[in-house]
Amino acid sequence: AQTVTQSQPEMSVQEAETVTLSCTYDTSENNYYLFWYKQPPSRQMILVIRQEAYKQQNATENRFSVNFQKAAKSFSLKISDSQLGDTAMYFCAFMKVNYGGSQGNLIFGKGTKLSVKP
Amino acid sequence: DTGVSQDPRHKITKRGQNVTFRCDPISEHNRLYWYRQTLGQGPEFLTYFQNEAQLEKSRLLSDRFSAERPKGSFSTLEIQRTEQGDSAMYLCASSLRGRLGNTIYFGEGSWLTVV
Repeated sequence: AQTVTQSQPEMSVQEAETVTLSCTYDTSENNYYLFWYKQPPSRQMILVIRQEAYKQQNATENRFSVNFQKAAKSFSLKISDSQLGDTAMYFCAFMKVNYGGSQGNLIFGKGTKLSVKP
Repeated sequence: DTGVSQDPRHKITKRGQNVTFRCDPISEHNRLYWYRQTLGQGPEFLTYFQNEAQLEKSRLLSDRFSAERPKGSFSTLEIQRTEQGDSAMYLCASSLRGRLGNTIYFGEGSWLTVV
């Protein structure tokens, strides 16, 4: 069974600075996807960034980038130039690939509560 | 697209009562998921559908829980004989064709409080 661990329950960062959120996972699968989702207070969960396990290049989306270390089973999220709107719960998630190549379900970590301070 | 829609957004019920939640996925999305999220935890997978077929169920989905997607469009999640431990947010999500790499979109959730 796959597990996802986020060891930082809460973090804070000053506006405009950089913060890194940690995530480790455990799996025996070789083909999978990893995600970071953002859940603002009382708002829906939205996708921040995704990484395919077979890709060595780290994914980037504007101010968001990941450090994917497959051998270490580590998948951290770096947020640059933090903005007040980045305040939210951040969830790391693992998705296995089903037989036949379709999506499996998402397995989430417990989340990290990020507060961006002015 | 109007996004994944869930109804009701909030429900307070007495222990022992039955409750039903509805989810309308994004139009043309044929994969639909249900998750449960309690305070301070990440979402936990309950079940998912491909069109009207229920393809996988978590062991979290006890006999008191049933989900349907009768015409492959909207879905309902019913909880019978509710217990206080059922208090949680129930999240619905959808994606297009379950194809690898397709984004899974979440609704805003339905909060259940069992008193």
